[in-house]
Amino acid sequence: GAGVSQSPRYKVAKRGQDVALRCDPISGHVSLFWYQQALGQGPEFLTYFQNEAQLDKSGLPSDRFFAERPEGSVSTLKIQRTQQEDSAVYLCASSSHWTGAHRSREGVSYEQYFGPGTRLTVT
Amino acid sequence: AQSVTQLDSQVPVFEEAPVELRCNYSSSVSVYLFWYVQYPNQGLQLLLKYLSGSTLVESINGFEAEFNKSQTSFHLRKPSVHISDTAEYFCAVSDKSSGSARQLTFGSGTQLTVLP
Repeated sequence: GAGVSQSPRYKVAKRGQDVALRCDPISGHVSLFWYQQALGQGPEFLTYFQNEAQLDKSGLPSDRFFAERPEGSVSTLKIQRTQQEDSAVYLCASSSHWTGAHRSREGVSYEQYFGPGTRLTVT
Repeated sequence: AQSVTQLDSQVPVFEEAPVELRCNYSSSVSVYLFWYVQYPNQGLQLLLKYLSGSTLVESINGFEAEFNKSQTSFHLRKPSVHISDTAEYFCAVSDKSSGSARQLTFGSGTQLTVLP
């Protein structure tokens, strides 16, 4: 596809249920990010993948949150035993940029392309 | 660690008037700077970015932003707004150092509403 897609677009879960949110990045994009956007706030970083490797998960709020990208393409964010404070829009972004040992290259686009998000409501 | 402050949560302005959306950041390292726009029911779209070079950057739809290192600011401006500019605007930064994942740190957003 032309852009980042996410499914489902809307999810209502009862407290205690497990949910799985899917992200299809732009084909060929190495980097994939998950963000959480609470109502009235800016997005906050959750986790980062470079290909299939999860290089940074420092933003995951608890061990109920788990993300994977087993083949370096599609990614799934799983939330176990959902709680009301998990209600938010979950955004996925992909980028052609990748981290490496080389110096940052001038002119390289570090643009992240965002999907439309999944709005999770926990009742 | 970085942080971004957008002091104005809501900015109403009349059509064809100028507008400035303010953004200040705090960081212990050098950063790249971005403005993203979010139209209703759509994903975030990059509006413009500062990576290096000229401190004044422009978008294709008439917005511009100026990086001011001494004031740690990256304010967004447009000399004449249109109804279609109504949206939420987010300022963001990312770590410039090599090896960084370059995740974005966002401000809380400014809702720009253009009135007829």
